Amino acid sequence: GQQLNQSPQSMFIQEGEDVSMNCTSSSIFNTWLWYKQDPGEGPVLLIALYKAGELTSNGRLTAQFGITRKDSFLNISASIPSDVGIYFCAGQIGNQFYFGTGTSLTVIP
Amino acid sequence: GAGVSQSPSNKVTEKGKDVELRCDPISGHTALYWYRQSLGQGLEFLIYFQGNSAPDKSGLPSDRFSAERTGGSVSTLTIQRTQQEDSAVYLCASSLAGPLSNTEAFFGQGTRLTVV
Repeated sequence: GQQLNQSPQSMFIQEGEDVSMNCTSSSIFNTWLWYKQDPGEGPVLLIALYKAGELTSNGRLTAQFGITRKDSFLNISASIPSDVGIYFCAGQIGNQFYFGTGTSLTVIP
Repeated sequence: GAGVSQSPSNKVTEKGKDVELRCDPISGHTALYWYRQSLGQGLEFLIYFQGNSAPDKSGLPSDRFSAERTGGSVSTLTIQRTQQEDSAVYLCASSLAGPLSNTEAFFGQGTRLTVV
C-alpha cells in the first residue's frame, strides 16, 4: 500500500504553544484528512481538504493541502490540555484511505 | 443512526474461540471499511465493501478472518480460532464512496478485542 510519512512521531509542548505536524507521500491524493484519536475512542475527523493548495481552518486548527497533492500539514494554535491525543493524517484516492502512523501530542499545563 | 456504531465495545475471549464484531455504518454510506489498530500503532487496512461489488479483502491477515455485509448496511467481522496476536482494536469506518470523488471516512468507537 501507499506509505504516508507523518512527523513528528511525538511532541511534548507547554500549554499555549503552537503545534505543527505534517504528512508526506510519494503518491498524490484527491483528499487529505486529519483525525484526532483519544484513548479508547475511534478517530474523529477534524479537517478535510479537497483541492491542491487549499487552506482550511477549524477553530484553532489550520490545515493545508499541498500544491503537489503529496503532502499536508496541520497547525494547532494556542494549545490547551484537551488537545492531548494522537493525530493521524489520511490521504484518499479512489476507493482507499491511507493513514499516517500518527503524532502523539502531550500538552503540559 | 447519526454515526458509525460498533458492538461490542470490549470483548475478552479465550484463545481458540470464534468472535464476531459488528458495525452499523452511517445511513446512506455505501462504502464500509474495517481496520485493525494494535497498541500504539497506526491503522492496518483489513477489508473494504462498496455497494454490491465484491469486497476488497486484500488486507485480511489470514483465512481465519472473514467479513460480510448484509443488505448493503450492517457488517460483521468474524475471527475464527482466535490467537493472542489478534488482540487489538478493530475499527469500522464508512463513507459516501465514489472512486472519482472526494470523500471522508467516519469511524466508529472501535471494539477492543483481548484474547487470553
